[in-house]
Amino acid sequence: QQQVKQSPQSLIVQKGGIPIINCAYENTAFDYFPWYQQFPGKGPALLIAIRPDVSEKKEGRFTISFNKSAKQFSLHIMDSQPGDSATYFCAASTGNQFYFGTGTSLTVIP
Amino acid sequence: KAGVTQTPRYLIKTRGQQVTLSCSPISGHRSVSWYQQTPGQGLQFLFEYFSETQRNKGNFPGRFSGRQFSNSRSEMNVSTLELGDSALYLCASSLSTGRNSPLHFGNGTRLTVT
Repeated sequence: QQQVKQSPQSLIVQKGGIPIINCAYENTAFDYFPWYQQFPGKGPALLIAIRPDVSEKKEGRFTISFNKSAKQFSLHIMDSQPGDSATYFCAASTGNQFYFGTGTSLTVIP
Repeated sequence: KAGVTQTPRYLIKTRGQQVTLSCSPISGHRSVSWYQQTPGQGLQFLFEYFSETQRNKGNFPGRFSGRQFSNSRSEMNVSTLELGDSALYLCASSLSTGRNSPLHFGNGTRLTVT
């Protein structure tokens, strides 16, 4: 059973667009929600993370929005660039183990 | 500081064989976790080691095993390989365990079982 459900599976946007990737969870014990970015041939790299006491966090062009009551969180990429083309994974942790979504393949067209 | 190093990068094995994958964590990191990555399934947790002790184990058959050495380096072993074991195996290290220690991933070992 997938503890963290991620959508969409793939996403294509034009340069400058704002792709949005969504994740949902059920386990209310999760209290740490990171996003990872993975380029082909590389391992995932931590992009940005949020805790449930905050509704939004921004780091550069990347923003996480968190809705605790709906048990959903999403990643927004402002002014997307072709270099942002990668696979993005959301994750959730209880402190004991990380659970990952199935990934979203993002393509940013020049 | 050197990142997480996984060897080998690629492996081709035959069904029924066994394989050992190696992971050297970032210097000073004491926790090592292993994940299996397949298309459509994302990253599935295999196990986590901290100070040579297995702290946590995912829902994989006993054919998958691991260990951690006193220098924090870790190995993962898969016995009696099946076609479905073909995947990218990722190792991640962290300073400690828990949510306050972000995972740092290596570039993985691509295992193909024929």
